Order: sequence, then structure tokens, then C-alpha cells
Amino acid sequence: GAGVSQTPSNKVTEKGKYVELRCDPISGHTALYWYRQSLGQGPEFLIYFQGTGAADDSGLPNDRFFAVRPEGSVSTLKIQRTERGDSAVYLCASSTVGGFTDTQYFGPGTRLTVL
Amino acid sequence: AQTVTQSQPEMSVQEAETVTLSCTYDTSENNYYLFWYKQPPSRQMILVIRQEAYKQQNATENRFSVNFQKAAKSFSLKISDSQLGDTAMYFCAFFAAQGAQKLVFGQGTRLTINP
Repeated sequence: GAGVSQTPSNKVTEKGKYVELRCDPISGHTALYWYRQSLGQGPEFLIYFQGTGAADDSGLPNDRFFAVRPEGSVSTLKIQRTERGDSAVYLCASSTVGGFTDTQYFGPGTRLTVL
Repeated sequence: AQTVTQSQPEMSVQEAETVTLSCTYDTSENNYYLFWYKQPPSRQMILVIRQEAYKQQNATENRFSVNFQKAAKSFSLKISDSQLGDTAMYFCAFFAAQGAQKLVFGQGTRLTINP
């Protein structure tokens, strides 16, 4: 079956612009996670959805970052007034039901470059 | 808060050799899972192997095995008969049963298999 997909693969934007990053999880997976991976680092947690609701958004760095999952499948990560420090690879992962016993499957990521 | 440390930024071995990647973690939890993920240049994180903290037997998956030392909070990955396709970044990750529902990653080890 299809894995996790993310679009676009690469996004270049100018400082101050608004961007949206999309994640299509594996069909039927109720848990969805967003992580951010800066150059040379491991991924860092941003937000966790269980169904349509954000169960944990403690990793969002500030109020310029927002994510939605209105129908419990596709999720969009939205970044307002982008800054150069937002440049990173944004990874999405999904799992069957969530929780520590459930393997997370990752997408290929979106590389965001803010000029 | 949990932390994961990978003390080897880079490693390099010849094809067919055995290599061991180190990982230590810090937690006050008793129940958790540990993971090793592989990230090739395509950026997609691929699960290599996972270990439940309550299982004393070390996990194995074909050429990949772990040495899990719970008391020492150590979780190393051994790759036997290494292949060129094993060249990638390797990340150790932790997921606790209680508290924040997220993977916590180490900084990664860049592994190069030379022909």
C-alpha cells in the first residue's frame, strides 16, 4: 500500500511569506505527527494529532506555526511570517493508533528554505 | 524530560565488516520503546529495529541486532556483514509509555560503508 506522502518535496520562500506543507498519512492511520529536522540534527517533535484533534502541540515553537487535520486524514502545517531560522526539513509520520507501542512511518519530508 | 545521546557523529567501515553504533538515553520511566531509524539521502526515515524495555532478549532483524542494557541506559546497534546500501544517517529514538506522546531522537551517526 501507499506510504506517507508529503508535498511539496521542496519549498523556497522569502522571509515574511506564508507557507503550507501537506501530509497524506497511510490510509486508516489515526495518529499523525509532525517533526522538524534542522541541518545535522535529529528530528524534533512539533505536534501530534489523534484523529482530527491536536492531542499535543507542545513542540510548536511559537504562534507563527499552526497545524490542522480537519477530516482526520490529510494534515497541513502552516507557517506565517516565515523567518530564516524556519529553514529545515519538515517530516510527517503516521501510526495506526498512536502510543509508544505503535511504529511510526515517516514520509520523505519537505525541505523548506527561507531566503 | 527524556534525552538521547549518540556520541559518534561519523563512522566508516569496509564492506562486509561489522559495525556498532552507540546510543545512551536518560529517563526516569520504566516502560518505553527504543528504536533505530535509518535515513538515507532520500530523507525518508526507515525503521531498522525496535526494542521494548520490558523484554530482556535483545531484538534482531536479519543483519541488525541490538545490545540493550537497561540498567546502563544503553542501546547500541550492531550491523553485521555491512553492505553499501547501509550507508545512511542512523538515529536512535525513545518513546515513553507515559507523558508526552512523541519520539525523542538523538543527533544521529553518519555511517559510510566503503567498497
